[in-house]
Amino acid sequence: EIVLTQSPGTLSLSPGERATLSCRASQSVSSNSLAWYQQKPGQAPRLLIFGASSRATGIPDRFSGSGSGTDFTLTISRLEPEDLAVYYCHQYGRSPPYSFGQGTKLEIK
Amino acid sequence: EVQLVESGGGLVQPGGSLRLSCAASGFIFSDHYMDWVRQAPGKGLEWVGRIRNKANSYAREYAASVTGRFTVSRDDSRNSLSLQMNSLKTEDTAVYYCVSLLWSSGPANWGLGTLVTVSS
Repeated sequence: EIVLTQSPGTLSLSPGERATLSCRASQSVSSNSLAWYQQKPGQAPRLLIFGASSRATGIPDRFSGSGSGTDFTLTISRLEPEDLAVYYCHQYGRSPPYSFGQGTKLEIK
Repeated sequence: EVQLVESGGGLVQPGGSLRLSCAASGFIFSDHYMDWVRQAPGKGLEWVGRIRNKANSYAREYAASVTGRFTVSRDDSRNSLSLQMNSLKTEDTAVYYCVSLLWSSGPANWGLGTLVTVSS
C-alpha cells in the first residue's frame, strides 16, 4: 500500500505570495498517476493537476505540479484570497488502494 | 455539461444496508473507470472502490475497510453507477462521492456527494 504524506499540515501566507505544498509517497507512484485537488468548505474536491504536472481543464496557470517517483509538489504562484482551501494529493495509479494524502490547509492572511 | 449526481444517502442503523446511485451525463460514461470516494465529517478523503471499464473486464477493486461488505456496479446502457453497502458500521458515516477517471484527463469529474449516516 502506498502511503502519501503531505507537508506542511497548515500553511499561512499573504496574497501575492507563492505557496509550495509537498506530497511524499512511501513507494514510487506508477506512471506519475498523481493528482492534486482543491477542496473549499462545503464543496466537493476539484481536480487541479493530474499525471503529476498536467493542469486540468479550466485551471489557471498559477497552479503547477511537478515531481516524479516518490516526491511531488504543488505550487501556487501569486496567491489570491479565493485560494483558501484544503489541498489533497492522490495516487490513482494501477493497483489499489488508491490512497489520498491527509491534506494541507492553506490559510490566506 | 459534465454531471455526476449521487443519490440514495440517508440514516441507517448499524448492520443495515443502503444502495447509492450515481447518474452520469455529458461525457462518454462507458470509457471511464468509476470510483467511489468518501469523506467522514471533518476528515480527509478515503478511496472506497473502483470499477473499470468494459475494455478492462469491468474489474472491481475495494479498500480493505469495505471488502466483503460493499459492491460497486455499473450499467453503461443507463450511464449509471451504484454502490451496494451491507453490514454498515458507524465508521462508514461519510459523504460519498462518485468520481470518473480517464487516463488522458485524470479523475476529473466529481459529484456533489450524498451523506450516509450510520447510527442507532
